[in-house]
Amino acid sequence: EAGVTQSPTHLIKTRGQQATLRCSPISGHTSVYWYQQALGLGLQFLLWYDEGEERNRGNFPPRFSGRQFPNYSSELNVNALELEDSALYLCASSLQGRGDTQYFGPGTRLTVL
Amino acid sequence: DQQVKQNSPSLSVQEGRISILNCDYTNSMFDYFLWYKKYPAEGPTFLISISSIKDKNEDGRFTVFLNKSAKHLSLHIVPSQPGDSAVYFCAAGYTGANSKLTFGKGITLSVRP
Repeated sequence: EAGVTQSPTHLIKTRGQQATLRCSPISGHTSVYWYQQALGLGLQFLLWYDEGEERNRGNFPPRFSGRQFPNYSSELNVNALELEDSALYLCASSLQGRGDTQYFGPGTRLTVL
Repeated sequence: DQQVKQNSPSLSVQEGRISILNCDYTNSMFDYFLWYKKYPAEGPTFLISISSIKDKNEDGRFTVFLNKSAKHLSLHIVPSQPGDSAVYFCAAGYTGANSKLTFGKGITLSVRP
């Protein structure tokens, strides 16, 4: 069974641009979570989607947004990129209602120059 | 406000000995706790979890202990193996609709052959 997949692996952007990151959950999982891991920090919760709707949001500005598609895959969009947005962005998925068991993808390394 | 704290950034142990990784939390609302292991260039991998109604959970070489009165949990790895060398994250969450995991900054474990 395929795990959580993310694309692209690496993404390089310049300040002010927009970045789009993609995530495909494990088959059968309806919940998708996004986390940011900046250098020297732990994983910071960004967003949670379930059944196509945003269910919870971390302490991030509105420049960070996303959506979940009918097939439960998800996109994370970061607008007006800033240097401090450079980080590893991790996507996780779980069965509905099972936020206590989240499976992670390999992440997308975003570098903002 | 860091609700999950892993105060030691690194730990080095000899192969075959016990590794003890510590984690403290401040939010008494947390009712489940997880440990994840992360290798470079990979996403975190779920290791073991514990519910707040228990004080110990064991899975093979891995045991997690929870002391609710001290708001402290620890992960014991016995015996430690070189393949255990990785970054270990402690995470905590709420059951129910919230589903957000709060992570510590991680501990880098090095197991010396």
